[in-house]
Amino acid sequence: DQQVKQNSPSLSVQEGRISILNCDYTNSMFDYFLWYKKYPAEGPTFLISISSIKDKNEDGRFTVFLNKSAKHLSLHIVPSQPGDSAVYFCAASAGNAGNMLTFGGGTRLMVKP
Amino acid sequence: GAGVSQSPSNKVTEKGKDVELRCDPISGHTALYWYRQSLGQGLEFLIYFQGNSAPDKSGLPSDRFSAERTGGSVSTLTIQRTQQEDSAVYLCASSNRRGGTGELFFGEGSRLTVL
Repeated sequence: DQQVKQNSPSLSVQEGRISILNCDYTNSMFDYFLWYKKYPAEGPTFLISISSIKDKNEDGRFTVFLNKSAKHLSLHIVPSQPGDSAVYFCAASAGNAGNMLTFGGGTRLMVKP
Repeated sequence: GAGVSQSPSNKVTEKGKDVELRCDPISGHTALYWYRQSLGQGLEFLIYFQGNSAPDKSGLPSDRFSAERTGGSVSTLTIQRTQQEDSAVYLCASSNRRGGTGELFFGEGSRLTVL
């Protein structure tokens, strides 16, 4: 049973437009959420995170929104750039489980010039 | 080195052989994780080491998989009697926080292909 789900395996966006990547989770014990970005043949790299005490966290072009009642989070990238093309993984952790992250299946973002 | 180092980067083996994958975490990081990513899939947790505590092995898919971490630093993931379904990229990550708010730093992975 997948505790973290990314229902869109791929997303295509025009350069300059907004990219919205979605993630749903089922475990109510999750209290910290992260987004990782992965280029081919490289390990995932941390992008942005949010604690469950917040509903929004912004870092430059990247904003993560958390809706705890819906157990849903989203990553907004605006404006999207061709260099943003990568696979994006949503991840979640529970405070009593160390830093063990449960990952979603990933969404491949393609930003077209 | 500055980042998490994994070796080998690529390994091709025959079904039934044993393989060892190595991870050298960032110096000073007390937590070490192994994940794997099968083709077209997300990252699957395998095992987690935190300091001198007993490892969390809850993600290991079978008893053919084992891992150790010597001296609190380098870790080796061993897969015995490999099967074709073991083919995946095996990713190691380390962290410097015990609590649930630390970022994981990943290596580039070891791509295992079992023929």
